[in-house]
Amino acid sequence: QKEVEQNSGPLSVPEGAIASLNCTYSDRGSQSFFWYRQYSGKSPELIMSIYSNGDKEDGRFTAQLNKASQYVSLLIRDSQPSDSATYLCAVKSGGGADGLTFGKGTHLIIQP
Amino acid sequence: GAVVSQHPSWVICKSGTSVKIECRSLDFQATTMFWYRQFPKQSLMLMATSNEGSKATYEQGVEKDKFLINHASLTLSTLTVTSAHPEDSSFYICSAVEGVWEQYFGPGTRLTVT
Repeated sequence: QKEVEQNSGPLSVPEGAIASLNCTYSDRGSQSFFWYRQYSGKSPELIMSIYSNGDKEDGRFTAQLNKASQYVSLLIRDSQPSDSATYLCAVKSGGGADGLTFGKGTHLIIQP
Repeated sequence: GAVVSQHPSWVICKSGTSVKIECRSLDFQATTMFWYRQFPKQSLMLMATSNEGSKATYEQGVEKDKFLINHASLTLSTLTVTSAHPEDSSFYICSAVEGVWEQYFGPGTRLTVT
């Protein structure tokens, strides 16, 4: 059974600091990896996708993938109070026809 | 781009009745849509994969006769919860695939069964 593990938190980070979120997955056949942000009562919003080993940067966000260690991370630089949310790591084995397997999410709190 | 809508955003129904939820991709065509369910303080769980013009594929443990899925066009998929019971109360979220890899989620439908 495919599993995605995340620390549920809460992870508390001062405003302006770097928030580091981690995720591990069990299926070695996984090919694509996503980070979603979910505010309370809302649906997930796609932040980053990453498909190959290494780093991928988009604005204040950097996703890191290490397939050998089955590990994905998300760094948020210059954290803002509006970044406070639950961050969901999601993994997909194949192409468009495959649904996502989600972790339980990490609750991030940015302290002003 | 990549906007997905859902209707209704919330619904309250009596036990034993049926409820239909619509999912639309507004600015792109989606041959594949997915339905997820999220209980309070839990993560999203994939319920089924909906493919335009064919039968839906259900995840293990999801009753296909209870959760009826129809994907009649490239922009519309519907989920009907038949004979709803209080334990079906949840946040139902659809997603649609644009391109090959990325899924975009609708705003969700909160179902409460009394």
